[in-house]
Amino acid sequence: GQNIDQPTEMTATEGAIVQINCTYQTSGFNGLFWYQQHAGEAPTFLSYNVLDGLEEKGRFSSFLSRSKGYSYLLLKELQMKDSASYLCAVLDSNYQLIWGAGTKLIIKP
Amino acid sequence: DTAVSQTPKYLVTQMGNDKSIKCEQNLGHDTMYWYKQDSKKFLKIMFSYNNKELIINETVPNRFSPNSPDNAHLNLHINSLELGDSAVYFCASSQDFEAPRLYEQFFGPGTRLTVL
Repeated sequence: GQNIDQPTEMTATEGAIVQINCTYQTSGFNGLFWYQQHAGEAPTFLSYNVLDGLEEKGRFSSFLSRSKGYSYLLLKELQMKDSASYLCAVLDSNYQLIWGAGTKLIIKP
Repeated sequence: DTAVSQTPKYLVTQMGNDKSIKCEQNLGHDTMYWYKQDSKKFLKIMFSYNNKELIINETVPNRFSPNSPDNAHLNLHINSLELGDSAVYFCASSQDFEAPRLYEQFFGPGTRLTVL
């Protein structure tokens, strides 16, 4: 079966750095997406990785290792507004998006 | 301009009723989706439509029926509502095809359905 694992919840301090991990086992791979979802709102796109390595976009970076079935989302200089759920999703060989359950990130002052 | 819109935003109804949720996208996308997000926040795909054809139909009860009058609209009709149907329902759309990067999905604001 297809499976995506993420930690359920993480806590970090304002101004710090946090890394949210995602491991996947899917039938094929056509890319990995990270989405951010604030409470009561819709998920919004953060990043897309299809090649190994690190993609940096401002305070957010996303890393992929296809051989390990592993990705992480790195958030730097954390702000209170970064408190949200972060969803990992993999596009499989049938071009279906397989979603993880999401990681709830709590930022403390 | 709103890219993906849904109505209503909130829906409170009694068990056994029939209700519909509407979705429209103005992005010119080829594929539209319905997701259910329960209290545990897990996003579960229910249906997707591509060029008015159903291409995914996950194991959802047949009380749920999607309807797509055109590429820009995908409505969700629910018959005989049950308590377990209470959740947030998200509509989404994507361009698809060509590059995988275009499978990025754009979500509507969600419809919070409460069945009493």
